[in-house]
Amino acid sequence: DTAVSQTPKYLVTQMGNDKSIKCEQNLGHDTMYWYKQDSKKFLKIMFSYNNKELIINETVPNRFSPKSPDKAHLNLHINSLELGDSAVYFCASSQEEKFAGQAYEQYFGPGTRLTVT
Amino acid sequence: DAKTTQPPSMDCAEGRAANLPCNHSTISGNEYVYWYRQIHSQGPQYIIHGLKNNETNEMASLIITEDRKSSTLILPHATLRDTAVYYCIVRVWNRDDKIIFGKGTRLHILP
Repeated sequence: DTAVSQTPKYLVTQMGNDKSIKCEQNLGHDTMYWYKQDSKKFLKIMFSYNNKELIINETVPNRFSPKSPDKAHLNLHINSLELGDSAVYFCASSQEEKFAGQAYEQYFGPGTRLTVT
Repeated sequence: DAKTTQPPSMDCAEGRAANLPCNHSTISGNEYVYWYRQIHSQGPQYIIHGLKNNETNEMASLIITEDRKSSTLILPHATLRDTAVYYCIVRVWNRDDKIIFGKGTRLHILP
C-alpha cells in the first residue's frame, strides 16, 4: 500500500542517454513534485504539477521534462544525460491548498538513485 | 536560499527528549513553520507544522516563540529510530510557493 511510489529505485546509465523515472501516488492528491538531492545532500525542488498543470518550474535545464498523464502520475524524462545529473530524485505529492489557512504536508516517495557514468 | 538556521548536528540520549532549535528571524505573517525529517537516504517525512500556536501530534511537539522568530521541535522520548536529518522550513500556504530545504540538523540518538 505504498502511498508514493517511484520506479526504478536505481538507475545506472551512460552519458548522452535518455531515461525516464516514473512516479505514482494513490493518495488522491492533486499536486505532485519532483525534487533533486545532490551528493552534498541538498534537496531542491525542480517542478510541481497541480491537476496536470505545471505550477513551479525551477531553473532546471530543458533536458528535464516532466510529464503528467493524469493527476496520479508525474514522470520525469531526462534527455542527453550528463555526469552532473547523478543524484537522488524524489517524487512527492500533497493535497491542493485551495485557500489561505490550509497548509498540507508533502508525502515523499522512496527516491530514485541515478548514476551517470 | 533557506530562510531558516539550524545547528548542523546534535546528540541526544535514547529515552530523553530531543529539542531541536530553529531560527527564522525573517518569517512573515503568513508563513508557516514546517518540520520534516530524512532517515538515512529515504524520502523526507513530514513531522508537524504550525503558524503561531504550539502544536502537538503523535510524533512531536512544536513550540513557536511569541514573536515567531524561532521555534523548537520536541521529540518527547527519542529512540534510535529517530536518528535522522531534521529540516525546519518556512513557507506560505499558496501553491506557487515552494518548500526550500536547508542543511538541517543531523540528530544522533545515543544508546
